[in-house]
Amino acid sequence: NAGVTQTPKFQVLKTGQSMTLQCAQDMNHNSMYWYRQDPGMGLRLIYYSASEGTTDKGEVPNGYNVSRLNKREFSLRLESAAPSQTSVYFCASSVTNWVGAYNEQFFGPGTRLTVL
Amino acid sequence: TQLLEQSPQFLSIQEGENLTVYCNSSSVFSSLQWYRQEPGEGPVLLVTVVTGGEVKKLKRLTFQFGDARKDSSLHITAAQPGDTGLYLCAGLRAGNMLTFGGGTRLMVKP
Repeated sequence: NAGVTQTPKFQVLKTGQSMTLQCAQDMNHNSMYWYRQDPGMGLRLIYYSASEGTTDKGEVPNGYNVSRLNKREFSLRLESAAPSQTSVYFCASSVTNWVGAYNEQFFGPGTRLTVL
Repeated sequence: TQLLEQSPQFLSIQEGENLTVYCNSSSVFSSLQWYRQEPGEGPVLLVTVVTGGEVKKLKRLTFQFGDARKDSSLHITAAQPGDTGLYLCAGLRAGNMLTFGGGTRLMVKP
């Protein structure tokens, strides 16, 4: 099993350009997440999808959109990139979002995005 | 300000030393997770603590959840260079969302 895969690994954009970050998981997980990681800030939730067909905003959703294409795939789109969106983006998945006190998340390797 | 504060932010120690990393909040969490992240990779779950006062051991790592479920600590005994990495705590809150702390970057020198 590949676990959680993300493409691309690196990307440089100019301000105003758009792009889509792709994420796929092969663990049959119901829930998927997009985070951004900035120095000293830990990971902040952008959007999540509790199950196929549903998406919800997280802590920092402005400037982003998401699509849960099917159970395996969850994409993140930047419509008009800004320098403030320079960050490392992580996709994660978990078995289910709603069970007890356990929500082990499995992370992809990340996409390093620079917006000039 | 972050919901979960980790301290210290950076720690550089010699191989064989002991260390403790703290994760504090004014909020109550249903559980607290610790992740370890290596450069160029995503975080990997180390442990989940659920019950107030719970202590879990993972080889040389000891994790404790505060009695009030607002704070946690990670203690490493006899640190090794392989322990080098970014340690993140994450609290599970209402809606089953994880809130991450800012991380502690640990370097263990041989």
